[in-house]
Amino acid sequence: EVQLVESGGGLVQPGGSLRLSCAASGFSFSSYWMHWVRQAPGKGLVWVSRINSDGSSTTYADSVKGRFTISRDNAKNTLYLQMNSLRDEDTAVYYCVTGGQGLDTWGQGTLVTVSS
Amino acid sequence: EIVLTQSPGSLSLSPGERATLSCRASQGLSSYLAWYQQKPGQTPRLLIYGASSRATGIPDRFSGSGSGTDFTLTINRLEPEDFAVYYCQQYGTSPPNTFGQGTRLEIK
Repeated sequence: EVQLVESGGGLVQPGGSLRLSCAASGFSFSSYWMHWVRQAPGKGLVWVSRINSDGSSTTYADSVKGRFTISRDNAKNTLYLQMNSLRDEDTAVYYCVTGGQGLDTWGQGTLVTVSS
Repeated sequence: EIVLTQSPGSLSLSPGERATLSCRASQGLSSYLAWYQQKPGQTPRLLIYGASSRATGIPDRFSGSGSGTDFTLTINRLEPEDFAVYYCQQYGTSPPNTFGQGTRLEIK
């Protein structure tokens, strides 16, 4: 069964840091580009970042550029999102996502709450 | 950055009717456009990729069309389980892979 399981979310103060992880199973992780997508409470989907299959190329939304870093460990079938200088507006459920054409595999998400 | 604008923001229809949802891109996308459905408390589900190809397991009452800057998701013979929020997304090589703001399809 294809599965993505996120972890690492929680409550953090503004200016703090958090690292999200996404454990992948049931497919050839090292062959797929991976993405992070977030959704603030009651709001729409926002694409955050992507990384190519071997980790050599990364891209970010302007809203997180310079603060977030996406990475992967293909030996561990794990995707990461290092989030620094967190702001109130980063509060959201963060989804780990992948797919060939379109994003057809989504994790259940992990909630990040930025609040003092 | 490519901006996707979905219309209408919300749509109120009855079961059995046809829904027509629009997604307009600020620049040409070729056919790298996907549609997703999200129900309350659930993760999004891929419906359409490549502007018009149905994802695995998606009923044929869902269809996508368009290319370039104008795209449409059509849902024929609405079923009660189709009432949800729908998002379009561009996933071409030009990042960011932005989503539209969503269209809420409600039961009339």
